Amino acid sequence: AQSVTQPDIHITVSEGASLELRCNYSYGATPYLFWYVQSPGQGLQLLLKYFSGDTLVQGIKGFEAEFKRSQSSFNLRKPSVHWSDAAEYFCAVGSNRDDKIIFGKGTRLHILP
Amino acid sequence: GAVVSQHPSWVICKSGTSVKIECRSLDFQATTMFWYRQFPKQSLMLMATSNEGSKATYEQGVEKDKFLINHASLTLSTLTVTSAHPEDSSFYICSAILAGNRLGDEQFFGPGTRLTVL
Repeated sequence: AQSVTQPDIHITVSEGASLELRCNYSYGATPYLFWYVQSPGQGLQLLLKYFSGDTLVQGIKGFEAEFKRSQSSFNLRKPSVHWSDAAEYFCAVGSNRDDKIIFGKGTRLHILP
Repeated sequence: GAVVSQHPSWVICKSGTSVKIECRSLDFQATTMFWYRQFPKQSLMLMATSNEGSKATYEQGVEKDKFLINHASLTLSTLTVTSAHPEDSSFYICSAILAGNRLGDEQFFGPGTRLTVL
């Protein structure tokens, strides 16, 4: 069965510092991987997705993620965070078998001024 | 593009009453919509998959008679929480898939509906 683990419930970084949010998945075949961001009062917004090809994926708002099959990971990174990046971040896994997406428990990002 | 709306954004009801939540894809057609439930500080739990013109498929443990789903058109799905109880209080989120997209492709999410049952 598919599963997603986000080991960090909360992450605090200073504005301007770099960021890495961890995500590990469990899936028998090549997964479809997603990172979504959830801000208060807004729907989940897709930051980036990986289906195949280049394992380094560029997304919106300056985010990127790298698919590492050997580590079953899909960590999200940003070189310099902004105060507006404070939000809840969800990693998710899907497949080409059906339309379901399984979400991780999320990581709450806090930004220090 | 690919905007999904939900109505209402929040609702408070008395125990025993029914509440209907609408999910609309505003600028695209969605053959498949999903309903999720999110508890405070927790992840999204898939409740059911809603396909236009057919019965919804419920996840294990979700009572289909309590959470009625209707997907009458390519742009509208509704979730009715029947005989609501305080334990049904939660944040309900819908999502939609662009018709014609590949299986497993991204979902577009609505802003959610906060349900509080007194």
